[in-house]
Amino acid sequence: DIQLTQSPSSLSAFVGDRVTISCLASQDVGAYLHWYQHKPGKAPKLLIYDASNLEEGVPSRFSGSGSGTHFTFTISSLQPEDIATYYCQQYDDLPWAFGQGTKVEIK
Amino acid sequence: EVQLVQSGAEVKKPGESLKISCKASGYIFADYWIAWVRQVPGKGLEWMGILFSGDSDIRYSPSFQGLVTFSADKSINTAYLHWNSLQVSDSGIYFCARPKKVGELDSWGQGTQVTVSS
Repeated sequence: DIQLTQSPSSLSAFVGDRVTISCLASQDVGAYLHWYQHKPGKAPKLLIYDASNLEEGVPSRFSGSGSGTHFTFTISSLQPEDIATYYCQQYDDLPWAFGQGTKVEIK
Repeated sequence: EVQLVQSGAEVKKPGESLKISCKASGYIFADYWIAWVRQVPGKGLEWMGILFSGDSDIRYSPSFQGLVTFSADKSINTAYLHWNSLQVSDSGIYFCARPKKVGELDSWGQGTQVTVSS
């Protein structure tokens, strides 16, 4: 099974800061990787699909890059409403899997 | 508009059975897969598996194989997640979700809280 390792597991940053999250796959998943935002009490929300494509309606401060085994998710200017846990997810091979999540907080 | 509406919160005892539902609307139910995802506090999201609504082709995650059963009723556009015998460790929030094309889960139910306690 493919394992996804996110780093860091949590981070704290100021409003306006650039935030970067890494997702490392245990084997090549091509570009078959997505990023989700999950706020408590809500359903997860798809932000980035196929590694770098911004989902419709998602603010442009969110972006993704990478391919193969190393992926990066970036918030270019952190906003208070971005407080959430972020997950990567691969669908290159069954079973699909999520990373363990990165909790983002405001300093 | 695609909508997935899940059944309400459940409180059960260990050993009891349970079936929760996910009713779809706004698209052709039989043309898409439905995924099930579990959230356990402090453990993040876990992919449980996926069911193709058209022919009930099912792929379980090895972590959930034999522990749960997926099913679907095309006549009422509803997917189900079933336990024969609940354990305390099954407590969590369960989400159904629909992939837009293959793996990107762009539509989600609101989640069903399942609490298993003696």
